[in-house]
Amino acid sequence: NAGVTQTPKFQVLKTGQSMTLQCAQDMNHNSMYWYRQDPGMGLRLIYYSASEGTTDKGEVPNGYNVSRLNKREFSLRLESAAPSQTSVYFCASSVGGKNYGYTFGSGTRLTVV
Amino acid sequence: KNQVEQSPQSLIILEGKNCTLQCNYTVSPFSNLRWYKQDTGRGPVSLTIMTFSENTKSNGRYTATLDADTKQSSLHITASQLSDSASYICVVSAITIEEKLVFGKGTKLTVNP
Repeated sequence: NAGVTQTPKFQVLKTGQSMTLQCAQDMNHNSMYWYRQDPGMGLRLIYYSASEGTTDKGEVPNGYNVSRLNKREFSLRLESAAPSQTSVYFCASSVGGKNYGYTFGSGTRLTVV
Repeated sequence: KNQVEQSPQSLIILEGKNCTLQCNYTVSPFSNLRWYKQDTGRGPVSLTIMTFSENTKSNGRYTATLDADTKQSSLHITASQLSDSASYICVVSAITIEEKLVFGKGTKLTVNP
């Protein structure tokens, strides 16, 4: 069982460059999420997709876009990277609804210089 | 404002000892409380999920308690092992139309031989 797979694991970007973080889950989950984790802070929700074909903004969406390509895949795009986007990014998935567990990927460590 | 506060920020114990981590929250309307373990360089992994009506839940050597009246939770680790070294994150879920997770900053536990 792969669970939630994120690529790449590490990335260094120059300010202004663009990139897409990929996420795929094989658990037939309905909901998928993108979080960022910064030192001294709790995980913060960037965007989420409650079901295939829908996406919504989370707590910190500025500077990001997402695509729910199909039920398995949910990508996060940085159109013009900024140093403030240096962070560890986690993708997660869930069955959906309340009281269900979230499964997290192993993360992408992004540095913007 | 929805908040989750964890204490202590960090903790060092000897292998074989017990420890208790604390979580206080001001999240409403409350749906559930989760404890996650996050190893260095990895994504969070779920330990327990408790709803309003549950006072305690165990997962092996991990036992979580919930007092919904005082809005407090604890995670007790029994007979610690070196592999318990990780960050432990308390996450409280609020639900209106959709579920929203509020993450604590975590407690970093180090178990020394």
